[in-house]
Amino acid sequence: AQTVTQSQPEMSVQEAETVTLSCTYDTSENNYYLFWYKQPPSRQMILVIRQEAYKQQNATENRFSVNFQKAAKSFSLKISDSQLGDTAMYFCAFMKHEESYGQNFVFGPGTRLSVLP
Amino acid sequence: DGGITQSPKYLFRKEGQNVTLSCEQNLNHDAMYWYRQDPGQGLRLIYYSQIVNDFQKGDIAEGYSVSREKKESFPLTVTSAQKNPTAFYLCASHLYGGRRTGELFFGEGSRLTVL
Repeated sequence: AQTVTQSQPEMSVQEAETVTLSCTYDTSENNYYLFWYKQPPSRQMILVIRQEAYKQQNATENRFSVNFQKAAKSFSLKISDSQLGDTAMYFCAFMKHEESYGQNFVFGPGTRLSVLP
Repeated sequence: DGGITQSPKYLFRKEGQNVTLSCEQNLNHDAMYWYRQDPGQGLRLIYYSQIVNDFQKGDIAEGYSVSREKKESFPLTVTSAQKNPTAFYLCASHLYGGRRTGELFFGEGSRLTVL
């Protein structure tokens, strides 16, 4: 069974600074997807960024980027130029590649990020 | 705009009562899911459905029931058999395949409190 660990229950960062959220996972699979989801206070959870394990290049979406270390089973999220709207719970998630229907998503416990003015 | 609508947003229940949480989507997605969210535990899968009139148990299905009579709708019933039902419930949907594989679309959630 796959497991996802987020070792930082809470973090804070000053506005405009850079912050990195950690995620490690355990799997015997070779092909899989990794995700970061964002859950703002009282708002819908949305996908921030996705990484396919067979791609060596780290995914980037505007101010969000990942550091994917497959051998170390590490998948950290870097948020550059933090904004107040980045305040949210962030969940790291894993999905096996061939099971693209989504029923085997495994979510980490989440990191609560607060961006301070 | 397309999306997922959950209702009610807040619900209070007395012990021994069944309650039903509504989830409707107009995204034309085939797959729908119910997750339970508890502090410090991430999201846990209750039930999922890949097609109308078919659904499968997730990791924590005991005390819950679902139906999928229409593609757009996937209601969740929390029965009196659920021993610890106070939680935040999230409904999600997913479109198979394509470049957005793995992207779950979520509703805003329903917070159930048992009094």
